[in-house]
Amino acid sequence: QQQVRQSPQSLTVWEGETAILNCSYEDSTFDYFPWYWQFPRESPALLIAIRPVSNKKEDGRFTIFFNKREKKLSLHITDSQPGDSATYFCAASAETGNYKYVFGAGTRLKVIA
Amino acid sequence: EAAVTQSPRNKVAVTGGKVTLSCNQTNNHNNMYWYRQDTGHGLRLIHYSYGAGSTEKGDIPDGYKASRPSQENFSLILELATPSQTSVYFCASGDGGGADEQYFGPGTRLTVL
Repeated sequence: QQQVRQSPQSLTVWEGETAILNCSYEDSTFDYFPWYWQFPRESPALLIAIRPVSNKKEDGRFTIFFNKREKKLSLHITDSQPGDSATYFCAASAETGNYKYVFGAGTRLKVIA
Repeated sequence: EAAVTQSPRNKVAVTGGKVTLSCNQTNNHNNMYWYRQDTGHGLRLIHYSYGAGSTEKGDIPDGYKASRPSQENFSLILELATPSQTSVYFCASGDGGGADEQYFGPGTRLTVL
C-alpha cells in the first residue's frame, strides 16, 4: 500500500512561475516530513523538511505548507529556475516506525526558460 | 571525499546468480539503509541497520539479505538474483532519531538477465 502519495506525476512550468507539488499521507502517526530532490543521474538529497508543530517552513524560494487535519502538504517553489528541474520526493517518518522513511513516488518538475 | 560510497556502480548478473552490493560510509552514522528505486515507485526500503551487527527488514525485504559487519560497511546480498530485481539501488546513512537526514550514495545500477 502506498502510504505517501504525490501529485502530479510530472509538472512543467515557465521560468519565474511558482511550482506547486502536492503530497498526502495516510498514517496520522507520521511526525516528520522531509522533501528530497534528485537531479538526473544523481542521488537524492535533502531539500527541506517540516514537523507537524509548524504549518509552514520556508527556505529561500522553497516553502512547505502543512495541513495536519487533511493530512496534506505541499511544496511551493517560487520564481522557478531551470536549475530547479529535478524529481522531488515527499517522505514521511514516525517514531512508532523507528523513523524509517516512507517515500512517495515523486513529482518530476521541468522548468522551461 | 564522498561520505557514502557504493560498489560496484554497475553490475550485470545472470538469473540465479549471487550478487553482493557494498556500501561504505565515513559519516560515523549509526543508521544505514538500502533502497531500490524504480520508475513509479520512488524509493522503497529493503533493509536497514542501527549499528554494527544489526539488520532489520524494511518494506520489501523478500529476496534480499543484509549484513552490517562494521559501523562503516553495509552490504546487500541477492542470493538468487531474478530479473525482477533489476533496479537502481541506493545506500544511505543517517544519525537516526526524529530528524534524521539521510545521506545517499551514488547508486548501483543492477541488471539481472
